[in-house]
Amino acid sequence: GAGVSQSPSNKVTEKGKDVELRCDPISGHTALYWYRQSLGQGLEFLIYFQGNSAPDKSGLPSDRFSAERTGGSVSTLTIQRTQQEDSAVYLCASSLSTPRQYFGPGTRLTVT
Amino acid sequence: AQTVTQSQPEMSVQEAETVTLSCTYDTSESDYYLFWYKQPPSRQMILVIRQEAYKQQNATENRFSVNFQKAAKSFSLKISDSQLGDAAMYFCAWGRGQKLVFGQGTRLTINP
Repeated sequence: GAGVSQSPSNKVTEKGKDVELRCDPISGHTALYWYRQSLGQGLEFLIYFQGNSAPDKSGLPSDRFSAERTGGSVSTLTIQRTQQEDSAVYLCASSLSTPRQYFGPGTRLTVT
Repeated sequence: AQTVTQSQPEMSVQEAETVTLSCTYDTSESDYYLFWYKQPPSRQMILVIRQEAYKQQNATENRFSVNFQKAAKSFSLKISDSQLGDAAMYFCAWGRGQKLVFGQGTRLTINP
């Protein structure tokens, strides 16, 4: 594919439900990142995958958040028992060998 | 830990005029990258310009240029001949290895 893709584009869920957000990085990119962007705010780092190494989970805000990256490609961010404060845009990015990151269009999550 | 500060939450400029967005950062590293990303209402983060810290020459990309002052840890973005399509959130970011640290962003409005 030409760029990073994310699905769904928008997700509305009820408080307490689990959600899964998907990211498909640029083919061949070894690094994949998840960020959270609350309304009008900057990007908050969540988690980082690099090749087959253990992920850097230092940004995950609680144990309700988890992420997987299968086969070194597609990644899924899972939020369990969603809360209203989880409402935000979730951005995924990928990169190859430099700090330059290529971003997807994001998933807007609304928890009602 | 590295920090990035954008002291201007909002800026506005008349179409065709020049505007400068400020960014300062704090790091003890000597080798790193600096980036400006643009985020229009579509949410897609787009790389505007990047600078390698070891290069003394300021980066330029068409109407976009930077003023990189390494000793002062300052990295401002100048947009010349502003166009309506430049309206967006602009994020400054510091990077080393494959991790980025973002500022809080500056919302740029272009007045016709």
